[in-house]
Amino acid sequence: DGGITQSPKYLFRKEGQNVTLSCEQNLNHDAMYWYRQDPGQGLRLIYYSQIVNDFQKGDIAEGYSVSREKKESFPLTVTSAQKNPTAFYLCASSVAGTVTGELFFGEGSRLTVL
Amino acid sequence: GEDVEQSLFLSVREGDSSVINCTYTDSSSTYLYWYKQEPGAGLQLLTYIFSNMDMKQDQRLTVLLNKKDKHLSLRIADTQTGDSAIYFCAESKSSASKIIFGSGTRLSIRP
Repeated sequence: DGGITQSPKYLFRKEGQNVTLSCEQNLNHDAMYWYRQDPGQGLRLIYYSQIVNDFQKGDIAEGYSVSREKKESFPLTVTSAQKNPTAFYLCASSVAGTVTGELFFGEGSRLTVL
Repeated sequence: GEDVEQSLFLSVREGDSSVINCTYTDSSSTYLYWYKQEPGAGLQLLTYIFSNMDMKQDQRLTVLLNKKDKHLSLRIADTQTGDSAIYFCAESKSSASKIIFGSGTRLSIRP
């Protein structure tokens, strides 16, 4: 079945370590996104990519990095520079030029810094 | 600037109607969305409305848009336990624009 797969679902990290969250989609979507979700706050956009080998910073890109070497994959690295990395991270994708601009989301990855 | 606001919690009795409200600030918003997030999962698009519409109905869901007041609401008729979730209001200027999300309203159902 088509969809977006995020892994791992749960991840624990010690302070000072970089971690990489995986996001893979087989929907043939051009655009992919990373959001961060904190309790009582809306989704905040970290990075997005509308085409392979190109990506743009979102509203809270500091302390994060991404790559888009393949259409299907958009991994997110949470670096040690991110001051408060404990959060629920959501990856999404969309078809460029759809009528509604609907986002399709993965199941999320919960990162906890110990 | 762009901002979407909604209350954080709503509790309703099973079988009653739920009304979740949202206000947005960007008058150029063209697309307005309601997404549903079940516990521990990603978001799913529930319904959407274009800014040139006042109302959209889809089975138990009714979306009302007051463009003058920049107010969007989602009504769920005959609320069931399966409707327990967080509901996010969102808006964008076009299908290619960034989508701005509200903080989400957690809907809980009491017997």
